[in-house]
Amino acid sequence: AQTVTQSQPEMSVQEAETVTLSCTYDTSESNYYLFWYKQPPSRQMILVIRQEAYKQQNATENRFSVNFQKAAKSFSLKISDSQLGDTAMYFCAFTLYSGAGSYQLTFGKGTKLSVIP
Amino acid sequence: NAGVTQTPKFQVLKTGQSMTLQCAQDMNHEYMSWYRQDPGMGLRLIHYSVGAGITDQGEVPNGYNVSRSTTEDFPLRLLSAAPSQTSVYFCASSYPTVPLSYTFGSGTRLTVV
Repeated sequence: AQTVTQSQPEMSVQEAETVTLSCTYDTSESNYYLFWYKQPPSRQMILVIRQEAYKQQNATENRFSVNFQKAAKSFSLKISDSQLGDTAMYFCAFTLYSGAGSYQLTFGKGTKLSVIP
Repeated sequence: NAGVTQTPKFQVLKTGQSMTLQCAQDMNHEYMSWYRQDPGMGLRLIHYSVGAGITDQGEVPNGYNVSRSTTEDFPLRLLSAAPSQTSVYFCASSYPTVPLSYTFGSGTRLTVV
């Protein structure tokens, strides 16, 4: 079974600064996806960024980027120029896309990020 | 509006009562799933379906039942509600093709008293 670990239950960052959220995962499979989801107080699950395991290049989406270290099974999220609207719970998630267990998302326990004015 | 619709948004049940959480999607997604979110636990998979007529259990299936008679709908049934089922429930759907992308409903907050 796959596992996802987020070791930082809570973090805070000053507005306009940069913050990095950590995520590690464990799998013996090679075909998988990793995701970061944002959950604001509205509780809507919003996709922040997605990384295909076979791609060596780190994914980026505007102010959000990942550091994907496949050998170390690490998938951290960097938020640059933090904004008040980034205040939310962030979840790291994993899924296989071939074989048994495909498409079933496994989530970490989340990191609560607060952006301080 | 294309997306995943969950109803109701809030519900209070008494212990022992049964109810059905509704989930509908209009994107012709083959894959649908139910998750529960508890404080400090992230989201955990309850049941999932890879197509009409096909369902399977996830990590925490006890006390829940599902069926998938159409591509669009995937209801979650609580057979006899217990306080331990107090949670926020999310439905999600996706195509089983790359690049993978999941669409989530807005969630149902369920309280069992």
